[in-house]
Amino acid sequence: AQSVAQPEDQVNVAEGNPLTVKCTYSVSGNPYLFWYVQYPNRGLQFLLKYITGDNLVKGSYGFEAEFNKSQTSFHLKKPSALVSDSALYFCAVRGGLYNQGGKLIFGQGTELSVKP
Amino acid sequence: GAGVSQSPSNKVTEKGKDVELRCDPISGHTALYWYRQSLGQGLEFLIYFQGNSAPDKSGLPSDRFSAERTGGSVSTLTIQRTQQEDSAVYLCASSLGLRGRRFNEQFFGPGTRLTVL
Repeated sequence: AQSVAQPEDQVNVAEGNPLTVKCTYSVSGNPYLFWYVQYPNRGLQFLLKYITGDNLVKGSYGFEAEFNKSQTSFHLKKPSALVSDSALYFCAVRGGLYNQGGKLIFGQGTELSVKP
Repeated sequence: GAGVSQSPSNKVTEKGKDVELRCDPISGHTALYWYRQSLGQGLEFLIYFQGNSAPDKSGLPSDRFSAERTGGSVSTLTIQRTQQEDSAVYLCASSLGLRGRRFNEQFFGPGTRLTVL
């Protein structure tokens, strides 16, 4: 069965420093991987996805993620953090069979706090 | 363009009552999903619609939960005889669905916060 793990409940970063939010996955077959961000009292916003192709995926708001097949990881990164990046981040993998519509299986979320 | 909308934004109900939650997907999106977000369980998939049919209902936690979609658009999630453990944020998402071998991202609504007293 597909699963996703986000090993850190919280990540603290100083503004201007690089940030990494970690994600590892377990799937059978090719993984379809996603990152979403959730601001307080808001729904989830799509950041980026990996389906196939280049291992480095660029997304919204200057975020990028690196797909590493050998380490089964899909870490989210940003070269220079902003205070406004503070939010809850979810990694997700497409679950189910191809003809079952691609429900998302989410990690438990990582709270990112960026301090000035 | 308009995103996914959900109503109501907040719902407080008494244990044992029935509730209906509504989702309006992005126009043209054939796939629609319901998820539930709670402190103890995180984000859980409930049900998936392609058009008006639901090929994957595997996440519905009990037979008190049901959902329908009409006209390939609006969806309603109904919870009968609500229990306190049903308290959560219910999120709806839509996507263009599966096109060939390309998987399309899901766009989420703001959610309905359900509180069962």
